[in-house]
Amino acid sequence: GENVEQHPSTLSVQEGDSAVIKCTYSDSASNYFPWYKQELGKRPQLIIDIRSNVGEKKDQRIAVTLNKTAKHFSLHITETQPEDSAVYFCAASMSGGGADGLTFGKGTHLIIQP
Amino acid sequence: EAGVAQSPRYKIIEKRQSVAFWCNPISGHATLYWYQQILGQGPKLLIQFQNNGVVDDSQLPKDRFSAERLKGVDSTLKIQPAKLEDSAVYLCASSANYEQYFGPGTRLTVT
Repeated sequence: GENVEQHPSTLSVQEGDSAVIKCTYSDSASNYFPWYKQELGKRPQLIIDIRSNVGEKKDQRIAVTLNKTAKHFSLHITETQPEDSAVYFCAASMSGGGADGLTFGKGTHLIIQP
Repeated sequence: EAGVAQSPRYKIIEKRQSVAFWCNPISGHATLYWYQQILGQGPKLLIQFQNNGVVDDSQLPKDRFSAERLKGVDSTLKIQPAKLEDSAVYLCASSANYEQYFGPGTRLTVT
């Protein structure tokens, strides 16, 4: 089955700086890669996703890049703000026209220092 | 648009007891998932339904866990008998295409 590795487990950055979280996956058949943000005690919220037919996607301060050859994808957050503090999870799935179950990484605790 | 609804939000039971969780997905979403999230870890898929049929239950501990989705809408997940290691948040998610939207979860504590 699919295996997703996520690094780092904890990331502390100064407010206003950029943060980068990296993930690798094992199954070359995976073609859908979402990122979720989870605040303490809350549900995971989808913040951005990318499919295997594109290499990069941006949404305001958030961007995701995908390297299918190397089987890794990354989340980039620019101009970080205190409200970006949370646990971020990457995930992967094989979706052949539908939405298969996700395999998640172990999460990155992002801390924004004021 | 209403989100995924789950109940109860919290449940405390003793080991060997049984428990059931309920999920109501976003209206029109054909695919429904149950995930288990142990403290400090990412969610782990337990079972996936497409309408009222099971698509993937390969990670469901079938000796104690069961799930159903009658009429292709609401779903229930049951644990019988519970073990200490079942303490976790049980998340329900639904999807119409690729994007999966999660409910608030049920936090289960087994003592």
